[in-house]
Amino acid sequence: NAGVTQTPKFRVLKTGQSMTLLCAQDMNHEYMYWYRQDPGMGLRLIHYSVGEGTTAKGEVPDGYNVSRLKKQNFLLGLESAAPSQTSVYFCASSSFRGGERYEQYFGPGTRLTVT
Amino acid sequence: RKEVEQDPGPFNVPEGATVAFNCTYSNSASQSFFWYRQDCRKEPKLLMSVYSSGNEDGRFTAQLNRASQYISLLIRDSKLSDSATYLCVVTYTGGFKTIFGAGTRLFVKA
Repeated sequence: NAGVTQTPKFRVLKTGQSMTLLCAQDMNHEYMYWYRQDPGMGLRLIHYSVGEGTTAKGEVPDGYNVSRLKKQNFLLGLESAAPSQTSVYFCASSSFRGGERYEQYFGPGTRLTVT
Repeated sequence: RKEVEQDPGPFNVPEGATVAFNCTYSNSASQSFFWYRQDCRKEPKLLMSVYSSGNEDGRFTAQLNRASQYISLLIRDSKLSDSATYLCVVTYTGGFKTIFGAGTRLFVKA
């Protein structure tokens, strides 16, 4: 059982370049999330999805787009990378039962540097 | 003011010590509470949920005080392997707002 996987693990971009981060989960979870983690700030929610074909904005959505075409995959896109997007990106997933969300399982993270 | 605040530490304790972490949250509509553990350059992993009545899992005890909007984590008989960053997490119903504290760093030394 792989859990939550993320690709790539590391990436260096130049300002203005674009890229897509891929998240995949094999736990049949309904909910998926993208976070960024910066020193001293904790994890901040970028976008999330409550099911295939649906996405919503989180706390810091500007500069990012997402898509969830399949239940097991959640893609995060940067259309025009900026140095402020240098961060560690974590994907997570969780199940939903009885009106309460359960623990979030995280992927290993993607370390992105924008120069 | 941050919605979830934690003492950043670091806490440096000897093996066998008891250490307590505190967390405060500002939104009284908060519904669910958790402690996560994050090792250096790794992903966060759930340590334990926090229930209103308090709960214990081995050497770990979590407490919640809704009136004071305060959460705590107590680690007894610290082990070297407990060295990590501990994240306080608060979620809200009616949406998917999950707020992570910035974390408290713990170093347990021999």
